[in-house]
Amino acid sequence: DAKTTQPNSMESNEEEPVHLPCNHSTISGTDYIHWYRQLPSQGPEYVIHGLTSNVNNRMASLAIAEDRKSSTLILHRATLRDAAVYYCILRDPANAGGTSYGKLTFGQGTILTVHP
Amino acid sequence: DAMVIQNPRYQVTQFGKPVTLSCSQTLNHNVMYWYQQKSSQAPKLLFHYYDKDFNNEADTPDNFQSRRPNTSFCFLDIRSPGLGDAAMYLCATTAGGRYNEQFFGPGTRLTVL
Repeated sequence: DAKTTQPNSMESNEEEPVHLPCNHSTISGTDYIHWYRQLPSQGPEYVIHGLTSNVNNRMASLAIAEDRKSSTLILHRATLRDAAVYYCILRDPANAGGTSYGKLTFGQGTILTVHP
Repeated sequence: DAMVIQNPRYQVTQFGKPVTLSCSQTLNHNVMYWYQQKSSQAPKLLFHYYDKDFNNEADTPDNFQSRRPNTSFCFLDIRSPGLGDAAMYLCATTAGGRYNEQFFGPGTRLTVL
């Protein structure tokens, strides 16, 4: 899977929007962009994923640049419960022939701190 | 309702003493994973089961073994834990498609004395 680059940490105030960037300049045409987050002392949880078009779900929005070399996870109104490590992961369905079925390759992620 | 359950949440063992961590799931998913997450690091896949087929990552030490007696349960056995095996061990499941969402358990934090 291609590599992603994220800032080590970001801070936000409660009830303000948060934009978490991810750079993936070597993304291939078949790579999907997935986001997971890991709250303190918990396992990771799925947030959102997309290919080319922007995506929205109940947790967040994903904005994907036109050239797909970067993307942004948007939390519209941060809460204290959103404080977590956010991981941006590229996954290529075309690589499905490997033995690591559905393997998630985590980078270091972005530590999001939310201030009350 | 818990979907991926890991027991115990905290496990302490002694250097070289075998230890088993357990994972169960209520999702009836056919794929189960074990990840290792060391302090301040990202999770790293150790191995996975697709149904009963076991797949080991190339760099997973031989010290780590796994068993999956049925769809619901999966075990991680560490035959001779070393100090370097102290970590959070995460179990995850997914259904069907390779790139479906993975559901993680809360993890078991292993301490090796």
